Amino acid sequence: EAGVAQSPRYKIIEKRQSVAFWCNPISGHATLYWYQQILGQGPKLLIQFQNNGVVDDSQLPKDRFSAERLKGVDSTLKIQPAKLEDSAVYLCASSRGLAGPPGHNEQFFGPGTRLTVL
Amino acid sequence: AQSVTQLGSHVSVSEGALVLLRCNYSSSVPPYLFWYVQYPNQGLQLLLKYTTGATLVKGINGFEAEFKKSETSFHLTKPSAHMSDAAEYFCANTGANSKLTFGKGITLSVRP
Repeated sequence: EAGVAQSPRYKIIEKRQSVAFWCNPISGHATLYWYQQILGQGPKLLIQFQNNGVVDDSQLPKDRFSAERLKGVDSTLKIQPAKLEDSAVYLCASSRGLAGPPGHNEQFFGPGTRLTVL
Repeated sequence: AQSVTQLGSHVSVSEGALVLLRCNYSSSVPPYLFWYVQYPNQGLQLLLKYTTGATLVKGINGFEAEFKKSETSFHLTKPSAHMSDAAEYFCANTGANSKLTFGKGITLSVRP
């Protein structure tokens, strides 16, 4: 089975520019996550989708970050405008769903997009 | 609220030596605990997880971890390190909302 796909793998932009990342989850996975991983830190959840609905976006900086999963499959994460502190790896993950006890459904991670803001 | 603490940022062992990576957790509800590994330029891969039941959990690649409630710990071990184990390791927990909270990670180096 194909894994989680992300593109681009690397992106370099100037501050105040816009950028978008794309994620294609594992086929049939209802839940999709976007994480931000700053160098030297663990991943931090930005937003969680269940199908095309948002479950948790409490840590998403909504003044500059937006995400959508219109058809419940692919997802895009956008930053507009970017700041220096947005330099990080953006990881997408997917899981079968949210049924069962916490952690029952394993999250599968993509390779990430490394963003550098100059 | 859930959190995990991974003390130190780097561990170095010789090939064939014991690997011990420490993780302590804080949780207001019975914890569900995880260890992930991240190889360079790759996403995270689940090594093992503790949900309920047996407190000694075996994972992939010869790793195991023991849940100790009295010590609020979930340390990761491997009896004999291999060069291919060099990577970054993350401990994580989740509460009732299934949201993963990660530690800051530990880089494991393996010397020949």
